[in-house]
Amino acid sequence: DAMVIQNPRYQVTQFGKPVTLSCSQTLNHNVMYWYQQKSSQAPKLLFHYYDKDFNNEADTPDNFQSRRPNTSFCFLDIRSPGLGDAAMYLCATSRDKGQQPNQPQHFGDGTRLSIL
Amino acid sequence: AQKVTQAQTEISVVEKEDVTLDCVYETRDTTYYLFWYKQPPSGELVFLIRRNSFDEQNEISGRYSWNFQKSTSSFNFTITASQVVDSAVYFCALSEATYGNKLVFGAGTILRVKS
Repeated sequence: DAMVIQNPRYQVTQFGKPVTLSCSQTLNHNVMYWYQQKSSQAPKLLFHYYDKDFNNEADTPDNFQSRRPNTSFCFLDIRSPGLGDAAMYLCATSRDKGQQPNQPQHFGDGTRLSIL
Repeated sequence: AQKVTQAQTEISVVEKEDVTLDCVYETRDTTYYLFWYKQPPSGELVFLIRRNSFDEQNEISGRYSWNFQKSTSSFNFTITASQVVDSAVYFCALSEATYGNKLVFGAGTILRVKS
């Protein structure tokens, strides 16, 4: 089945140690998103790629970076994780084209990040 | 500015009861899109419905129905004959044509269905 796959499902890292979360998709969607969701809160958009164009949200900390080497893969890099970065990280995709904008986003199962 | 309000933090019902989840939104755009997503305990967000601002028709899909009223800026979601498997967090979300793909979520409503 076509889907959005996030690895790993659970990630534990040490305070200040860089960590990378990965997302792949078989939907061939042109837009990929990263969200942060803290406990009992709504998902919050960090950034997204519209094709190869990177769009960063104004309030996303510099500590968070992203890479999209090809259509299928997108990575979230946290350069120096702090205790406040412990959260669920959700990857999503959508197929948005000029005449069909704002299409539904399809989410992966998420990666739950813990910081020791 | 775009904003979504889900005033109900948590709702508990007994199986087979009907339940309505409220969603009120704010936007200055004339073109916008409204969504509902379900997040079960396993964590993934599941897309339920998308509505654009020009389509005020109500929609029914099985036990689910949605009531979109622009006059009150509301997009409410009703589950008929609720089941235990409906237990989840439900998010209402808004995206505006001006801001492209950005989804703004409400705080979510926790629905607990007891057998």
